[in-house]
Amino acid sequence: QVQLQESGPGLVKPSQTLSLTCAVSGASLSRPGYYWSWIRQHPGKGLEWIGGIYHSGTTYYSSSLKSRVNISLDTSKSQFSLKLTSVTAADTAVYFCAREVMAGDSSQFDYWGQGTLVSVSS
Amino acid sequence: DIQLTQSPSFLSAFVGDRVTITCRASQGISSYLAWYQQKPGKAPKVLIYAASALKSGVPSRFSGSTSGTEFTLTISSLHPEDFATYYCQQLNSYPRTFGQGTKVEIK
Repeated sequence: QVQLQESGPGLVKPSQTLSLTCAVSGASLSRPGYYWSWIRQHPGKGLEWIGGIYHSGTTYYSSSLKSRVNISLDTSKSQFSLKLTSVTAADTAVYFCAREVMAGDSSQFDYWGQGTLVSVSS
Repeated sequence: DIQLTQSPSFLSAFVGDRVTITCRASQGISSYLAWYQQKPGKAPKVLIYAASALKSGVPSRFSGSTSGTEFTLTISSLHPEDFATYYCQQLNSYPRTFGQGTKVEIK
């Protein structure tokens, strides 16, 4: 069974870097056909896709966040990570990691982590 | 970026009602659209993918359809456990984008 689990600090100071890791079990990060994404949700608001990474290391990012985001993959540890620099209170949100499965002419985010709340405050 | 406009943002309905949520894409996305259900404090769960394919294990009262750049999620008869927020998402191109959500509440 595929499981994703986010981990990282729940509190980050303004101007610092938010760092989160998603540990994946039951699936191989080096297998083609999967895309590993980060999504966030501001309190009481909708879902915002942050970016993601393929098994090859190719990344895509949100247009509004791409200047501050880096996503990386560590297949040896079966995890992928998010770094968001120069955070402000506007980055306070629940952060989810998720797997996108691509099969033929369809895609879906089929497995999600439970989400982790990150607050930005001094 | 492809914009997805969901309507309505909020709807109030009775158990047993037929409910329809619409998602309009700002440009063509073929059938690369998924629908998710999210309950408070939980991660979203996929209901429909490829615009109209029902995810295994999802009740058949959920269905999806498409006409051009307009996509529809229908719940044929609302059950108590269906009260939640629903999101559409396009997976045609990067960046992936979500609709703003539709909250379905009990009337």
